[in-house]
Amino acid sequence: SQQGEEDPQALSIQEGENATMNCSYKTSINNLQWYRQNSGRGLVHLILIRSNEREKHSGRLRVTLDTSKKSSSLLITASRAADTASYFCATDEDSNYQLIWGAGTKLIIKP
Amino acid sequence: EAQVTQNPRYLITVTGKKLTVTCSQNMNHEYMSWYRQDPGLGLRQIYYSMNVEVTDKGDVPEGYKVSRKEKRNFPLILESPSPNQTSLYFCASSLGVGTTEAFFGQGTRLTVV
Repeated sequence: SQQGEEDPQALSIQEGENATMNCSYKTSINNLQWYRQNSGRGLVHLILIRSNEREKHSGRLRVTLDTSKKSSSLLITASRAADTASYFCATDEDSNYQLIWGAGTKLIIKP
Repeated sequence: EAQVTQNPRYLITVTGKKLTVTCSQNMNHEYMSWYRQDPGLGLRQIYYSMNVEVTDKGDVPEGYKVSRKEKRNFPLILESPSPNQTSLYFCASSLGVGTTEAFFGQGTRLTVV
């Protein structure tokens, strides 16, 4: 299964700034999810947005979904050093049996 | 506590020596899968299982075997490991595919020399 695309591949910002990362996919989806991975550790689920939703919030996270552009964005507001991690999107496009994963965005928060 | 437990966390082995990485979940999830993660290649699915006794190949199944005799366990077997299987491995489980969150194990860092 082909990977979705995420950009940027890497992002370095100052603590306190907002971080935005994007995910694009190829075909229709039912759901899109975002996950965080601290270096070498297991992925942790952040948020799931359904195809009939346009925006979802969870604490400092804001996810948008634009099905017409086949893209989603993850915004982390007021970033902290602990937000340093890689962020992945995953969709159920084209399949009832597999998640399709993006390549990930590596986020570095500078103190 | 809901969790996926993988063992071992780290393993160094020699080419050709059979090994098993165990995976167990305590959430009664039907769907389980194995991934490998390599620098620059992201997450690639090795095998998945929709339920007990039902397993299917993912994107990179060559050199691996799995079994699903019980709902909670989904071991990954490398019958004859080779250096190109050196990687970081993750087991994951979920109620369904994409409809609910997936829970990941902490990972197994395997080195084959």
